[in-house]
Amino acid sequence: EVRLVESGGGLVKPGGSLRVSCAASGFTFSNAWMSWVRQAPGKGLEWVGRIKSKTDGGTTDYAAPVKGRFTISRDDSKNTLYLQMNSLKTEDTAVYYCSRHYRSHYFDNWGQGALVTVSS
Amino acid sequence: QSALTQPPSVSGSPGQSVTISCTGTSSDVSSYNRVSWYQQPPGTAPKLMIYEVSNRPSGVPDRFSGSKSGNTASLTISGLQAEDEADYYCSSYTSSLYVFGTGTKVTVL
Repeated sequence: EVRLVESGGGLVKPGGSLRVSCAASGFTFSNAWMSWVRQAPGKGLEWVGRIKSKTDGGTTDYAAPVKGRFTISRDDSKNTLYLQMNSLKTEDTAVYYCSRHYRSHYFDNWGQGALVTVSS
Repeated sequence: QSALTQPPSVSGSPGQSVTISCTGTSSDVSSYNRVSWYQQPPGTAPKLMIYEVSNRPSGVPDRFSGSKSGNTASLTISGLQAEDEADYYCSSYTSSLYVFGTGTKVTVL
């Protein structure tokens, strides 16, 4: 069974940093492309960024609102995906989901989400 | 990239059909057959319902179908059931990035 479990959410002040993790199990993590998707309270889904598998180059792409502030990385030896968030803004407050890609461009498994609140 | 445009809400009685539209641009929906749909009941994570415009993953009822014409994709739920009440989001690939729709709340009357 595919399982994705996020951790590391919490309260952080504007301008601060936070790292959210996603522990994966039930599939070959090293072969998977992974994305982070966020959802602000009461709002819709917003794609944050994606990291390809190392065999496909391990490259990352980011949505415009987070480019230059957020970094996605992976540790295939620990089956873990990371989202490092710097220079956080109040508008970054959201539940952050990690998701596995299916056939490259679709999101077929999701974690339960980690709530990140940016507030003074 | 701007969010794809969906109607805020649609509703129908049990057994009826409802269709949700998803309008994009020449940069996303109309340029790629990489459109997907997600169902999100309240308080839960999204679930993939349709991929590549019209394909259903294993386990998704055939009451759910997808299509696309030009820059508009559509999700149709036939034979609406109470358990289909949820928020639905479309998504499209666009030049190494992904964009979601604004979301549609489906209410079963």
